[in-house]
Amino acid sequence: AQSVSQHNHHVILSEAASLELGCNYSYGGTVNLFWYVQYPGQHLQLLLKYFSGDPLVKGIKGFEAEFIKSKFSFNLRKPSVQWSDTAEYFCAALSGNTGKLIFGQGTTLQVKP
Amino acid sequence: ETGVTQTPRHLVMGMTNKKSLKCEQHLGHNAMYWYKQSAKKPLELMFVYNFKEQTENNSVPSRFSPECPNSSHLFLHLHTLQPEDSALYLCASSQASGRAVDTQYFGPGTRLTVL
Repeated sequence: AQSVSQHNHHVILSEAASLELGCNYSYGGTVNLFWYVQYPGQHLQLLLKYFSGDPLVKGIKGFEAEFIKSKFSFNLRKPSVQWSDTAEYFCAALSGNTGKLIFGQGTTLQVKP
Repeated sequence: ETGVTQTPRHLVMGMTNKKSLKCEQHLGHNAMYWYKQSAKKPLELMFVYNFKEQTENNSVPSRFSPECPNSSHLFLHLHTLQPEDSALYLCASSQASGRAVDTQYFGPGTRLTVL
């Protein structure tokens, strides 16, 4: 079955630290990848997405993600986090075969001021 | 961001009650979705509607009954729910369904508690 795995369930960082959140997907065919963020008390928002072209994708608020096909990975990065980045982050994969958006279980990021 | 709205934001109901969740999108989209978000679990797709037609039912129990009267509105009718159905129910919309370019936009969710 198609699945998305996020390795880190809870990450705690100090401000200005660098961030990398892992995401792996199981589907081997055409797949399109997304990172969503959910700030406390707010709705899910799209951070960035990849569906073709340059495997290094830049999103909003200084986030970027790199699609590495050989590793089935789409890790999210930010060079210097801020307290306002405290949120839950979800990786998702859209299967070109089924058209379904499959989510990972989410990573809670806590940034200490 | 008021593209997708959901009401009510919080709902507490007994197992014998009947209630409905409402979703409205103001983005001119043609596809709408219901998801269930439970603690410590990935978002689970429940239903998909394209141009008012249901195109996906992800093995959802019949105590959940969706309705899509037009492309802008989506309902989830609830009856005889179980305590394990307590969760955050999210609505989303996209231009169409299944294409990478069709980013899904989410509403704020309805926090449902079943007693």
